[in-house]
Amino acid sequence: DTGVSQDPRHKITKRGQNVTFRCDPISEHNRLYWYRQTLGQGPEFLTYFQNEAQLEKSRLLSDRFSAERPKGSFSTLEIQRTEQGDSAMYLCASSLATGNTIYFGEGSWLTVV
Amino acid sequence: DAKTTQPTSMDCAEGRAANLPCNHSTISGNEYVYWYRQIHSQGPQYIIHGLKNNETNEMASLIITEDRKSSTLILPHATLRDTAVYYCIVTDSWGKLQFGAGTQVVVTP
Repeated sequence: DTGVSQDPRHKITKRGQNVTFRCDPISEHNRLYWYRQTLGQGPEFLTYFQNEAQLEKSRLLSDRFSAERPKGSFSTLEIQRTEQGDSAMYLCASSLATGNTIYFGEGSWLTVV
Repeated sequence: DAKTTQPTSMDCAEGRAANLPCNHSTISGNEYVYWYRQIHSQGPQYIIHGLKNNETNEMASLIITEDRKSSTLILPHATLRDTAVYYCIVTDSWGKLQFGAGTQVVVTP
């Protein structure tokens, strides 16, 4: 499968714990995006990278959230001190460059209990 | 706020064409119209996009009005697997997508 890959697909964690999600974009896609989606809502933009540079962060990305793309390939999204409000599906997407179609992964579901 | 307006829901009979409308009256000249769909619990799936001209691919057709203030996504022969939320998105070329609530399409036998 050459699509966007996300891991883990499901994560249940206790409030206050840290969690990390990994995203492997489509090969050679230099842009990588993170979105968040809560039940009944459309996806919301969080941040994006061009190669290893993080070029924009949404105000939704609080200080407890950090995203990295150290070598311009895979990316990680870490949430520290999780809260119940962080429960959502975290979507990763990638594209070749500006003006090109964005392709999404299957998402990583987070449940904070 | 999303730049598009879509009906909340619509039903379609299996085998018939599904015509999904979208209003984007404030679209600017360099903005594209994108359509994605999301089947329950899966990531959004790209369907089609266009700027001015009508477009067709193996999944659907996109009809954009001449003034570009509205568009229609056409699924020519709806199947049960087309049941999903369909999102119409207007975006400039750099590609950040702002999703609205979309249209819940239910295809019935």
